[in-house]
Amino acid sequence: AQSVAQPEDQVNVAEGNPLTVKCTYSVSGNPYLFWYVQYPNRGLQFLLKYITGDNLVKGSYGFEAEFNKSQTSFHLKKPSALVSDSALYFCAVRDTISGANNLFFGTGTRLTVIP
Amino acid sequence: DTGVSQDPRHKITKRGQNVTFRCDPISEHNRLYWYRQTLGQGPEFLTYFQNEAQLEKSRLLSDRFSAERPKGSFSTLEIQRTEQGDSAMYLCASSPRGAVNEKLFFGSGTQLSVL
Repeated sequence: AQSVAQPEDQVNVAEGNPLTVKCTYSVSGNPYLFWYVQYPNRGLQFLLKYITGDNLVKGSYGFEAEFNKSQTSFHLKKPSALVSDSALYFCAVRDTISGANNLFFGTGTRLTVIP
Repeated sequence: DTGVSQDPRHKITKRGQNVTFRCDPISEHNRLYWYRQTLGQGPEFLTYFQNEAQLEKSRLLSDRFSAERPKGSFSTLEIQRTEQGDSAMYLCASSPRGAVNEKLFFGSGTQLSVL
């Protein structure tokens, strides 16, 4: 079975400070990991993904994430937060063993960047 | 706009009525997904099409739910005899032909309220 945990419902950070949104996962095989962002009244937008290779993945809008196999984590990071980064962030995983084509999403973390 | 289009944006219905939602994926995307999202939760997978073939169905997809993609282009999701527990945001996503680990492109969703 596959699962994703986002331990923080809410993250607040001051503008210009670094931000981290946490994600841990559980899969049977090797994971495919994704981060999506959801702005109000808009669909989910892809930020970045880890499939294989370099553990540090760079994505859209200056975001990056680090895959840590030993800690089964895939935390989302950004060196300097912007007010416009305020949104709902979802971590998602696909299990390569199960063969399923669907993504399994976490419950989301609401990021608020304070001016 | 050449993104994923969903219609209607909002649907209010009375318990016991049937409702149908439409999704138009990005042109030439052969993979199409339906997800359901309730408040405070991440999207939950419902079903997956590759072209016109429905290849995966979640256990969440009860007998009252049916999805079709008759010509491999647009898709419909019908809910018969709606219940209050069906109230949710129904999301459609598509992805292009190619590796299954391609990112998903989401529509803005159809918000269903069952009274």
